[in-house]
Amino acid sequence: AQKVTQAQTEISVVEKEDVTLDCVYETRDTTYYLFWYKQPPSGELVFLIRRNSFDEQNEISGRYSWNFQKSTSSFNFTITASQVVDSAVYFCARKGGGADGLTFGKGTHLIIQP
Amino acid sequence: EPEVTQTPSHQVTQMGQEVILRCVPISNHLYFYWYRQILGQKVEFLVSFYNNEISEKSEIFDDQFSVERPDGSNFTLKIRSTKLEDSAMYFCASTRGSADTQYFGPGTRLTVL
Repeated sequence: AQKVTQAQTEISVVEKEDVTLDCVYETRDTTYYLFWYKQPPSGELVFLIRRNSFDEQNEISGRYSWNFQKSTSSFNFTITASQVVDSAVYFCARKGGGADGLTFGKGTHLIIQP
Repeated sequence: EPEVTQTPSHQVTQMGQEVILRCVPISNHLYFYWYRQILGQKVEFLVSFYNNEISEKSEIFDDQFSVERPDGSNFTLKIRSTKLEDSAMYFCASTRGSADTQYFGPGTRLTVL
């Protein structure tokens, strides 16, 4: 199986701190897709961002930024100036071609303390 | 904006009973997926469905599971004889193309007693 590893089980920071969530993936595919999803306490899975394997351009969206590095098979996610509403479990996921499903990491539980 | 919907939001059943979880994918989508998440654990892929047949399935998706698109709008997951370990949140997702981003429904929490 082509695993996704999120080594950080839980991170706790004080509001306004910056925090980076790590994701390392395995793949044998030439073309693949990477995703971050947020799961707030209410339980739904909220899509945040995707990256295609052929697009290594990093992205910033408001307080969120993503760092995709094929050389290290990493797709890290940074929240700048964290807020209490950012508290959630964040999942990194990978997908190959075809109709195969997403392979998720175990998630990182992010706690933002006021 | 169109959304994936799922019913019921919570289903309680007795061990050994059959359950059917229902999903209404986004209307022009062609690929449909089921995932499960045991409480406190990661989300796991069960099955993908395209052109009225299963495209891919995981090891979890054994003979007690089946999927169906009985009409033009619903996509169902049937568990034939539920076990205690089937207790989980079940998520449905759909996409138009196989490489598109999967947007998830709100989930059905299944509790097997």
